[in-house]
Amino acid sequence: QVQLVQSGAEVKKPGASVKVSCKASGYTFTSDGINWVRQAPGQGLEWMGWISAYTGNTNYAQKLQGRVTMTTDTSTSTAYMELRSLRSDDTAVYYCARGGSLGWFDTWGQGTLVTVSS
Amino acid sequence: DIQMTQSPSSLSASVGDRVTVTCRASQTISSYLNWYQQKPGKAPKLLIYAASSLQSGVPSRFSGSGSGTDFTLTISSLQPEDFATYYCQQSYATPRTFGQGTKVEVK
Repeated sequence: QVQLVQSGAEVKKPGASVKVSCKASGYTFTSDGINWVRQAPGQGLEWMGWISAYTGNTNYAQKLQGRVTMTTDTSTSTAYMELRSLRSDDTAVYYCARGGSLGWFDTWGQGTLVTVSS
Repeated sequence: DIQMTQSPSSLSASVGDRVTVTCRASQTISSYLNWYQQKPGKAPKLLIYAASSLQSGVPSRFSGSGSGTDFTLTISSLQPEDFATYYCQQSYATPRTFGQGTKVEVK
């Protein structure tokens, strides 16, 4: 079955960086893209961006431009999301979700809690 | 950015009730509208895509309708496992945007 498995929880200090991984299985990794969505505690869902696993092309949310980088490793079917210059309001659960150009997210990872605290 | 507004923000219902959640886009998005269900501590789950297409494995009591700017998610007969938060999401343009969520609670 199609599955996305994410790396474990992280605790970071303000100003640090975090890199979250998302390993795909059960489908051809390069046939689709990976989106990243985050959810602050008690809040709604915020789309962060998308990467094509085939071309590596990216599309980032403007508010995160310059702080976020999404990459993929096709040899291991793994996607990565790195967020730099962390602030307290980056504390959230970060999800990867499979999705193509039609824009719906049909499979989600289990989520990775990133806590930013001094 | 396209703003998505859901109503109500929360509702109380009983098992067996018919439940309707609405979602309005700030501009026309054709049928590029998707619905998700999220339970506490879990990842969202795709229910409906392209406004009215039922995702594989999702019970037929869930249905979606609408086009343009106004959309509806309907649960025909609420079941105990349906108490959750529901989000709409537009896929007409980037950035992809979500509604603020509708929490369906036990009456």
